[in-house]
Amino acid sequence: EAGVAQSPRYKIIEKRQSVAFWCNPISGHATLYWYQQILGQGPKLLIQFQNNGVVDDSQLPKDRFSAERLKGVDSTLKIQPAKLEDSAVYLCASSRTGNTIYFGEGSWLTVV
Amino acid sequence: TQLLEQSPQFLSIQEGENLTVYCNSSSVFSSLQWYRQEPGEGPVLLVTVVTGGEVKKLKRLTFQFGDARKDSSLHITAAQPGDTGLYLCADAYYGGSQGNLIFGKGTKLSVKP
Repeated sequence: EAGVAQSPRYKIIEKRQSVAFWCNPISGHATLYWYQQILGQGPKLLIQFQNNGVVDDSQLPKDRFSAERLKGVDSTLKIQPAKLEDSAVYLCASSRTGNTIYFGEGSWLTVV
Repeated sequence: TQLLEQSPQFLSIQEGENLTVYCNSSSVFSSLQWYRQEPGEGPVLLVTVVTGGEVKKLKRLTFQFGDARKDSSLHITAAQPGDTGLYLCADAYYGGSQGNLIFGKGTKLSVKP
């Protein structure tokens, strides 16, 4: 079974630029998550989708972050405009409903 | 807001040594999960514990859940370089259609040959 796929793996941008990350979850997993992991900290949930609907986006900075999962499969997380404090690893994860969460390798963002 | 504290923050040991890392919560865990995250990778689930006092073993790793379900420990016997990584504890909530994880900051373990 293929794991959670993410791209790009690494991205360096200047502050105020925009960036987008893509995630393809494990086949058949209805729930998709985006987590942000700042260096030295544990992952923090940004947004959770159930199929193509948002379940929880309470910690998503909506003034600059957006995410969509239009067809209930893959998802895109966008940051515009980026700030220095957005430098982090963006982890996508997926699960069958109410079951173990599987993480991708992450997309590493550096904002300079 | 639930806070998870992990200690120590960093640990550097020689191959063959034993070690214990700890996770404490400000409130009762729904269920507790331990993850290992290797450099450049996402976290990988090691174990889930649910019942207070529960002990689980995974090869050289022993996980213990406190009786009050507010603390946990992970003990590694005869550590190997392959054990190097960030060990994260998380409160795992699965309710209805929702599942979420609240993570601690982790213990960064380095095992030197």
